Amino acid sequence: DGGITQSPKYLFRKEGQNVTLSCEQNLNHDAMYWYRQDPGQGLRLIYYSQIVNDFQKGDIAEGYSVSREKKESFPLTVTSAQKNPTAFYLCASTRQAPPNQPQHFGDGTRLSIL
Amino acid sequence: KNEVEQSPQNLTAQEGEFITINCSYSVGISALHWLQQHPGGGIVSLFMLSSGKKKHGRLIATINIQEKHSSLHITASHPRDSAVYICAAHFGNEKLTFGTGTRLTIIP
Repeated sequence: DGGITQSPKYLFRKEGQNVTLSCEQNLNHDAMYWYRQDPGQGLRLIYYSQIVNDFQKGDIAEGYSVSREKKESFPLTVTSAQKNPTAFYLCASTRQAPPNQPQHFGDGTRLSIL
Repeated sequence: KNEVEQSPQNLTAQEGEFITINCSYSVGISALHWLQQHPGGGIVSLFMLSSGKKKHGRLIATINIQEKHSSLHITASHPRDSAVYICAAHFGNEKLTFGTGTRLTIIP
């Protein structure tokens, strides 16, 4: 079955450490997204990519970095510059056309600080 | 400012009850989505609509463009419907703006 796989499900970070969250899709979707979810808040967009080797900052990109070397993969690195990284992270993908397509989501990664 | 508001924040009901979750948005949209987030955190897209009404099984989504309002209804609710339901809107060609979600609990 096609879908989005996020790993790991749970991740712990020590202060000053960078960690990378994996997101892989086999849906042949062009666009991929990373969201952050905090209690009581709606999902907020961190980064998105509409095509391989290109990506754009979302609303809360500071302290995060991404790459899009392959269509199937869109890893997110939470750097030590992100001072409040504890959150639930969701990856999503969608077809580009027609516009406003439903997004397919992974099961998320919960990141905590040790 | 593009905003999406949901109500209620929390909803508890008995099994079999008819459920309504509301979503209001601030300005004109090009499409509205209803999503379901399971207790484990994964999200499933339920509906995408830009006008009228859509139905899938016991779920019904409606949208009133003039009133800038959408509703998600669940008929004959069941404990397995317990989840967080999220409304999200496309304002023009911009990326999705999400509501804060409605936590639904169905008691057997």
